[in-house]
Amino acid sequence: KQEVTQIPAALSVPEGENLVLNCSFTDSAIYNLQWFRQDPGKGLTSLLLIQSSQREQTSGRLNASLDKSSGRSTLYIAASQPGDSATYLCAVGCSNDYKLSFGAGTTVTVRA
Amino acid sequence: DAGVIQSPRHEVTEMGQEVTLRCKPISGHNSLFWYRQTMMRGLELLIYFNNNVPIDDSGMPEDRFSAKMPNASFSTLKIQPSEPRDSAVYFCASSFLGRTLNTEAFFGQGTRLTVV
Repeated sequence: KQEVTQIPAALSVPEGENLVLNCSFTDSAIYNLQWFRQDPGKGLTSLLLIQSSQREQTSGRLNASLDKSSGRSTLYIAASQPGDSATYLCAVGCSNDYKLSFGAGTTVTVRA
Repeated sequence: DAGVIQSPRHEVTEMGQEVTLRCKPISGHNSLFWYRQTMMRGLELLIYFNNNVPIDDSGMPEDRFSAKMPNASFSTLKIQPSEPRDSAVYFCASSFLGRTLNTEAFFGQGTRLTVV
């Protein structure tokens, strides 16, 4: 069974600082990895998708890397802003059963 | 496309009543997922369908839960009878899964269920 872990569980930084969010997974047989953002009381918004054959994806201030062999992905958010405050979730698509397994998320607070 | 559409957005019901949650996936997607989110357990996969066929329902907590996908554009999750511990936010997501292409999953806005 795929286990997805996100560290840290919570993070508080001053505005302008770069954010580093970590995701690890136990089974490297994946077809893709996705990072989501969730605001309180809202749904999940897809941020970045990395196919299993890719090493990284970038969108604006966001950059996500994938090291499938070591079972790790990192989401970098450059020059954080108060509007980046949210919970960030990592989801892994498993090749064996096509399930999308989620980590518990990292709750980010960016202080103005 | 309007994205994944779920209804209702909020549902308050009494214990013992039947609850039906609805989902319309993105047109062209062939996979549909039902998740439940609570503070204690996070996001849990309940069931997923591929080409309208239930592939894995091992996450469905009890026989009180059932899900159907009669066609590619509609799915329901039913709880009968409902219990207070079923209170949670239920999300539906869809994506396209194929041999050479696996697209990102998109989520609906969720249904917040409260059973009193």
